[in-house]
Amino acid sequence: AQTVTQSQPEMSVQEAETVTLSCTYDTSESDYYLFWYKQPPSRQMILVIRQEAYKQQNATENRFSVNFQKAAKSFSLKISDSQLGDAAMYFCAYRSAYGGSQGNLIFGKGTKLSVKP
Amino acid sequence: DGGITQSPKYLFRKEGQNVTLSCEQNLNHDAMYWYRQDPGQGLRLIYYSQIVNDFQKGDIAEGYSVSREKKESFPLTVTSAQKNPTAFYLCASSFAGGLGEQYFGPGTRLTVT
Repeated sequence: AQTVTQSQPEMSVQEAETVTLSCTYDTSESDYYLFWYKQPPSRQMILVIRQEAYKQQNATENRFSVNFQKAAKSFSLKISDSQLGDAAMYFCAYRSAYGGSQGNLIFGKGTKLSVKP
Repeated sequence: DGGITQSPKYLFRKEGQNVTLSCEQNLNHDAMYWYRQDPGQGLRLIYYSQIVNDFQKGDIAEGYSVSREKKESFPLTVTSAQKNPTAFYLCASSFAGGLGEQYFGPGTRLTVT
């Protein structure tokens, strides 16, 4: 079974600085998708960024980018120019490219990010 | 506007009562999901449905039931058999194929006393 591990329960960053959140996963599959979700204090889960495993190029969405290391099974999220609104829980998630129940999302336990003004 | 709605935002019930949480989507998504979130935990899958009139148990289905009579709706019933029902419940939906990224509703906070 696949697992997702976020080893940093809490992180802190100064406003305008850069922070990297770690995520590792375990799978024997070669084709899958990876996601980062943000959950602010409102508790609404928001999709931040996605990565297809077959793509070598790291995904980027404005100030958010990932470092996808397939061989190392690592999928870290980098937030540049951190803003107060980035303060939230961040969840890493894995999804198999195969159908059925294998296609369900598997979440890590999350990293709580604080942004200091 | 397309999206997922959950109602109510806060729900209070007495022990021994069944309660139904609503989830509706107008994104034309095939699949719908229910998750439970507890403090310090990630999201745990309760039930999911990939097509109308069909659904499967997730990792923590005991004490819960669902129905999928319409594509747009996937209500979750928390029964009196659920031992620790107080939690935050999130509904999500997605297309069945491709990236299948899930989009979430705003959640329902259920408190049972």
